[in-house]
Amino acid sequence: NAGVTQTPKFQVLKTGQSMTLQCAQDMNHEYMSWYRQDPGMGLRLIHYSVGAGITDQGEVPNGYNVSRSTTEDFPLRLLSAAPSQTSVYFCASSHQTSRDREYEQYFGPGTRLTVT
Amino acid sequence: GIQVEQSPPDLILQEGANSTLRCNFSDSVNNLQWFHQNPWGQLINLFYIPSGTKQNGRLSATTVATERYSLLYISSSQTTDSGVYFCAVGGNQGGKLIFGQGTELSVKP
Repeated sequence: NAGVTQTPKFQVLKTGQSMTLQCAQDMNHEYMSWYRQDPGMGLRLIHYSVGAGITDQGEVPNGYNVSRSTTEDFPLRLLSAAPSQTSVYFCASSHQTSRDREYEQYFGPGTRLTVT
Repeated sequence: GIQVEQSPPDLILQEGANSTLRCNFSDSVNNLQWFHQNPWGQLINLFYIPSGTKQNGRLSATTVATERYSLLYISSSQTTDSGVYFCAVGGNQGGKLIFGQGTELSVKP
């Protein structure tokens, strides 16, 4: 299994440009999430999905869109990039462990985005 | 929402020393994970431990869910242990983790 994969690894955008960060997982996990990590901070949840066709907002959703048309893929779209979106973006997937209501998350390698 | 506090914020050790990192959380949780973020930025799963004790080599973790804290023990530290250690907690829905601010560990040779 490749686990959770993200592309691209690095990206530089100009203010106002749009782009899509790709995330895929091959573990058949029902849950997928996007986080951002700013310098010196922990990760903050942007959006998450509990299954194909179902998404919801996390702590910091403004400026980002998501969709989940398949179990495997969960792209994150920046419609009009702003310097405040300069960050490292992590995608994660999770599954239910053998115990009820317990979910272990696995993270991709991250995408480092700079908006100038 | 749930608050997660980690201590200490940073720690410097000599190679071979032991350390204990702490994670306090403000509400009951169904999920708790410890991660190591290495100097290249990768997040590595260390433990999935909503309760109880687990050990993996030189690392072990204990979560006392009723008292809302978790501890990560690192014994005989090595320079490769350097990086940031994060505690993250979640409720009864998958896909949502709340992270602490992390403990930055530096192990000197």
